[in-house]
Amino acid sequence: KQEVTQIPAALSVPEGENLVLNCSFTDSAIYNLQWFRQDPGKGLTSLLLIQSSQREQTSGRLNASLDKSSGRSTLYIAASQPGDSATYLCAATGNQFYFGTGTSLTVIP
Amino acid sequence: NAGVTQTPKFRVLKTGQSMTLLCAQDMNHEYMYWYRQDPGMGLRLIHYSVGEGTTAKGEVPDGYNVSRLKKQNFLLGLESAAPSQTSVYFCASRSAGAGVEQYFGPGTRLTVT
Repeated sequence: KQEVTQIPAALSVPEGENLVLNCSFTDSAIYNLQWFRQDPGKGLTSLLLIQSSQREQTSGRLNASLDKSSGRSTLYIAASQPGDSATYLCAATGNQFYFGTGTSLTVIP
Repeated sequence: NAGVTQTPKFRVLKTGQSMTLLCAQDMNHEYMYWYRQDPGMGLRLIHYSVGEGTTAKGEVPDGYNVSRLKKQNFLLGLESAAPSQTSVYFCASRSAGAGVEQYFGPGTRLTVT
């Protein structure tokens, strides 16, 4: 069974910092790795999807990388803003989606 | 495009009562999923469907039933609610294929007393 771990569980940074969120998975036989954002009391919003044949994806200030061989993905957020405060979840997808428990990010103005 | 919608948004049940959660999507997606989200445990898959008329068990299916009579709708039923089913329930959908995103509904917050 796929196990997905996200470290750290919580992170607090001052506005303007660059930061990295980590996601690790135990089974490298995945189709994709997808990063989501979840605001309190809300559903999940897809941020980036990296297919298994890709190494990274970029969208604006976000960059996600994937290393299947080591079972790791990172989400890099450049020049963080208070509006980035949310919980970030990664999901490793095979036939099903397996989610990590998330990293709660607070960006302090 | 409404995307993925869920009905109701909130519900309080007494132990032993039954209810049905409705998920609807207007994106013509083949795959639909029901998850529950609990503090410290992330999202766990309850049941899923790969097409109209088909359903399959996920990681935590006990106590739940599902039906997919129409492609756009995926129903989650609780026949006899238990306090352990207090959770936030999310529905999601996606197209068939390996490199596609999953889209989520806004969630249903269920409390069983």
